[in-house]
Amino acid sequence: AQKVTQAQTEISVVEKEDVTLDCVYETRDTTYYLFWYKQPPSGELVFLIRRNSFDEQNEISGRYSWNFQKSTSSFNFTITASQVVDSAVYFCALSALPSGAGSYQLTFGKGTKLSVIP
Amino acid sequence: ETGVTQTPRHLVMGMTNKKSLKCEQHLGHNAMYWYKQSAKKPLELMFVYNFKEQTENNSVPSRFSPECPNSSHLFLHLHTLQPEDSALYLCASSQGNGANTGELFFGEGSRLTVL
Repeated sequence: AQKVTQAQTEISVVEKEDVTLDCVYETRDTTYYLFWYKQPPSGELVFLIRRNSFDEQNEISGRYSWNFQKSTSSFNFTITASQVVDSAVYFCALSALPSGAGSYQLTFGKGTKLSVIP
Repeated sequence: ETGVTQTPRHLVMGMTNKKSLKCEQHLGHNAMYWYKQSAKKPLELMFVYNFKEQTENNSVPSRFSPECPNSSHLFLHLHTLQPEDSALYLCASSQGNGANTGELFFGEGSRLTVL
């Protein structure tokens, strides 16, 4: 069975601070995918990143960076110089390889609510 | 505006009512999903349709009945619901073929309240 744990339920930071959102996962699959999604107050989840389990290179995209460590089964997400617009709920998710039909079945964590205070 | 549109955005119904949630995607995707988002719980996958065929039903009670008449539309028919079914119901779509990157595109959700 797959499981994703986001231990931080809520985090508050002051604008311009850096913040790291933790994600720990469990899976018996040797090949899998990890995701981060952002859910702003409007409701729709917005895709941020997908990583393959065989690619442990860290990734940076603007103020966002991701640290994937297979040895500790973690896929942490850091926002540098946070902004008020970063306030949202962030979800980490895990998926095995898609089925033959090509659909992914993501297992989500409970999410971390980030509040950036001006 | 997202490429996935859900209606209604808000719905209040009694336990004996019958209602439907509608999802429409304009992205040319072939896979569509229903997720349930309850407070303090992870998103729960309910149903998956790929090329209009249901490929997954995660032990969802029969009071939830999905329908996928074509690759662009997905419905969730509701009847005899319970108060604990109150939640945000999210529809998503993705490419359902070899080009699928795993990125799901979500709608803004339908907030359901069962009285």
